Amino acid sequence: QVKLQQSGAELVKPGASVKLSCKTSGYTFSTSYMSWFKQIPGQSIEWIGMIYAGDGGTGYNQKFKGKATLTVDTSSSTAYMDLSSLTTEDSAVYFCARGTGFDYWGQGVMVTVSS
Amino acid sequence: DVVMTQTPVSLSVSLGGQVSISCRSSQSLVHNNGNTYLSWYLQKPGQSPQLLIYKVSNRFSGISDRFSGSGSGTDFTLKISRVEPDDLGVYYCGQGTQYPLTFGSGTKLEIK
Repeated sequence: QVKLQQSGAELVKPGASVKLSCKTSGYTFSTSYMSWFKQIPGQSIEWIGMIYAGDGGTGYNQKFKGKATLTVDTSSSTAYMDLSSLTTEDSAVYFCARGTGFDYWGQGVMVTVSS
Repeated sequence: DVVMTQTPVSLSVSLGGQVSISCRSSQSLVHNNGNTYLSWYLQKPGQSPQLLIYKVSNRFSGISDRFSGSGSGTDFTLKISRVEPDDLGVYYCGQGTQYPLTFGSGTKLEIK
């Protein structure tokens, strides 16, 4: 069955960067898209961007350009998202979800930015 | 960006009852290819969102026929019949027609 397993919670200092992972199984990763989302607890969902694992092509929400960088490793069927120059406003839960229809989601990872 | 407006913000329903959630988009969600990319998701407490409905009215695999989606253009509705305890959570509509992809602010379903 399709599974998306995200890395564990992160506590990072302001100004630092963090790399989140989303390891997949149960489907053909190399010909699929992966999207990433941000959700501040109690608030709605924001789409950060999308990557096509076949060629690494990406598309970003303008709001997150310069903040998020999406990459993939097809050898391990894993998608990554780098978040840079973190501020307290980046504290949130981040999700990965498969494809363009978001039919399967990772469990989410809490990123806390605090000194 | 396409703004998705959901109503109501919250609703309370008795078990076995029926509810409707409205979602309106600020622009038509009909894609150039003729498809309308409007989906519905349920986020249960402490969990990630799960896909219920895609392209307005198509139930995702394993989703009960108690959930139904309808609408066109800019107005869409999710109906839940014979509400069960496991239906509680926050329901989101989301559009995949125009980038950036956007979501409604959510409707919280509580069981009386």
